[in-house]
Amino acid sequence: DTAVSQTPKYLVTQMGNDKSIKCEQNLGHDTMYWYKQDSKKFLKIMFSYNNKELIINETVPNRFSPKSPDKAHLNLHINSLELGDSAVYFCASSQEDLGSPLHFGNGTRLTVT
Amino acid sequence: AQKITQTQPGMFVQEKEAVTLDCTYDTSDPSYGLFWYKQPSSGEMIFLIYQGSYDQQNATEGRYSLNFQKARKSANLVISASQLGDSAMYFCAMRELTPYNYGQNFVFGPGTRLSVLP
Repeated sequence: DTAVSQTPKYLVTQMGNDKSIKCEQNLGHDTMYWYKQDSKKFLKIMFSYNNKELIINETVPNRFSPKSPDKAHLNLHINSLELGDSAVYFCASSQEDLGSPLHFGNGTRLTVT
Repeated sequence: AQKITQTQPGMFVQEKEAVTLDCTYDTSDPSYGLFWYKQPSSGEMIFLIYQGSYDQQNATEGRYSLNFQKARKSANLVISASQLGDSAMYFCAMRELTPYNYGQNFVFGPGTRLSVLP
């Protein structure tokens, strides 16, 4: 059973398009996250979502919007894609206690041409 | 300011030898957790080991141990008896108690690329 699953694994699209990445977790965790990993492998948090409260990294462009239909899902919508959006996007989840690790999905490699 | 520093962009180690990957962190919160993750070339993020700020003992998980020096704010990962499969990126991460101090809930260092030589 996959704990955190995200789809698609690969996404190739043209500039200006709108795309979505889906994420589901079956761990019963309280908090879900989206991270962006750039070409230098640096992991940057984009959003965290806890009990219907969304915390947004203020540096993330508003073209990116998370949508959570329920506690087990946190989808990422991206409007007007730009070349600089090319990266690997990771969904993750955790419980809200200090010792709870992040459980990651396998990542979505987004390529904007 | 960088909250997690990993000063070694790349490391080499001979198979079967031990290797230490450095991690220093910055926080004023007395309660925090420190984590190490492995990212092989296949791309998935694998949780390795956890150390709580109040833990008296250094954490160990199989061949992984964490050398936790609280006063120096360091949490180095030690891998014993390196294997070829240990070749990967390794990330140190910190979680602070304040969940809504955004951007500081789970912060990652820049990573160290470890290469194990046969």
